[in-house]
Amino acid sequence: GDQVEQSPSALSLHEGTGSALRCNFTTTMRAVQWFRKNSRGSLINLFYLASGTKENGRLKSAFDSKERYSTLHIRDAQLEDSGTYFCAAGRQGGRALIFGTGTTVSVSP
Amino acid sequence: GPKVLQIPSHQIIDMGQMVTLNCDPVSNHLYFYWYKQILGQQMEFLVNFYNGKVMEKSKLFKDQFSVERPDGSYFTLKIQPTALEDSAVYFCASSPPGQSGNTLYFGEGSRLIVV
Repeated sequence: GDQVEQSPSALSLHEGTGSALRCNFTTTMRAVQWFRKNSRGSLINLFYLASGTKENGRLKSAFDSKERYSTLHIRDAQLEDSGTYFCAAGRQGGRALIFGTGTTVSVSP
Repeated sequence: GPKVLQIPSHQIIDMGQMVTLNCDPVSNHLYFYWYKQILGQQMEFLVNFYNGKVMEKSKLFKDQFSVERPDGSYFTLKIQPTALEDSAVYFCASSPPGQSGNTLYFGEGSRLIVV
């Protein structure tokens, strides 16, 4: 079935550094949404993209439907960026989201 | 930001009994969803609901599952009868109409334990 492959599964960063998370899709998706799970287990919306890139503070996301991937870049990482990040993509013609397996980001001083 | 509220936050129930999970979606949202996450596994889509009807459902949405939103009140997921494999965290989500309608807002989940 349709898959969303998220990598890496875990990421360790020092404060002030940056890195990227990536999701690859096995089929053409119409949109992607990125979330961070907070300490209460809630999914916090970060981005929704149907194409192109979006930026919000130190986070930037890109989505390329044709090339079947999306990325989430973290720059100048801060301690509060620690958490588990998920991508979720929507197929054409539907509203169901297919979730990735998550990336656990740990930011240390 | 917009909040989706779920009640109960957790419930333990005997196998074979009925359970109803309640969701209070964001007030102007028109699309409602249930997702299921078994411990240690990915979040998986169950069903979405619009204008009083199920629009999409996955193979996880068994015949024992039903959803409704009577008179604009809670959006509910009912499982009758429950089975051991129904133990999971169930997440409700809602999304607004229009182009931004595909942006989903999730609740904190209802942890169901079937014993």
